[in-house]
Amino acid sequence: AQSVTQPDIHITVSEGASLELRCNYSYGATPYLFWYVQSPGQGLQLLLKYFSGDTLVQGIKGFEAEFKRSQSSFNLRKPSVHWSDAAEYFCAVGGTGGGNKLTFGTGTQLKVEL
Amino acid sequence: DSGVTQTPKHLITATGQRVTLRCSPRSGDLSVYWYQQSLDQGLQFLIQYYNGEERAKGNILERFSAQQFPDLHSELNLSSLELGDSALYFCASTRGSPNSPLHFGNGTRLTVT
Repeated sequence: AQSVTQPDIHITVSEGASLELRCNYSYGATPYLFWYVQSPGQGLQLLLKYFSGDTLVQGIKGFEAEFKRSQSSFNLRKPSVHWSDAAEYFCAVGGTGGGNKLTFGTGTQLKVEL
Repeated sequence: DSGVTQTPKHLITATGQRVTLRCSPRSGDLSVYWYQQSLDQGLQFLIQYYNGEERAKGNILERFSAQQFPDLHSELNLSSLELGDSALYFCASTRGSPNSPLHFGNGTRLTVT
């Protein structure tokens, strides 16, 4: 069975500081990995995705993520956080074994201090 | 704007009642997914339809059912509602290929009183 662990429930960073959100996954086949962001009252917006190839993927809003197969991780990073990045971030895993059915982590709530 | 439309945005109803949530996928998307988001369970996959046929089932209660119509819109029916069914229900759509990302609607917030 596929699963995703986001070990940090809440993270607070100062505006302008760097950010790393952790994600570990469990998947029996080749994983497809995603990061989504959810602002209050909104749906989930895709930030970036990894299917294959270059293990460092670039997304929207200046985010990037690195796939590390040996560590079963797909951490999300941003060099300089903006106040508008405050939101909840979800890591998800899917793949050919499960079609598009995505399994989501429990989310990390990001607070940005001005 | 993801292009996925969900109605209504909010729904308040009493225990024991039945409601229908509606989803219109992005133009050209054949596959529709339903997810439930609650504080205690997080985002849970309920069910998937592809071009009118059920494709995958997740943690969907027997009191819940869904269908996808020929025009590809989908409805999620929730019956004999309980307080614990209060949640945000999301619909998502994709083209249908395995590496297509899900595009989410803004959800329907259901409150059962």
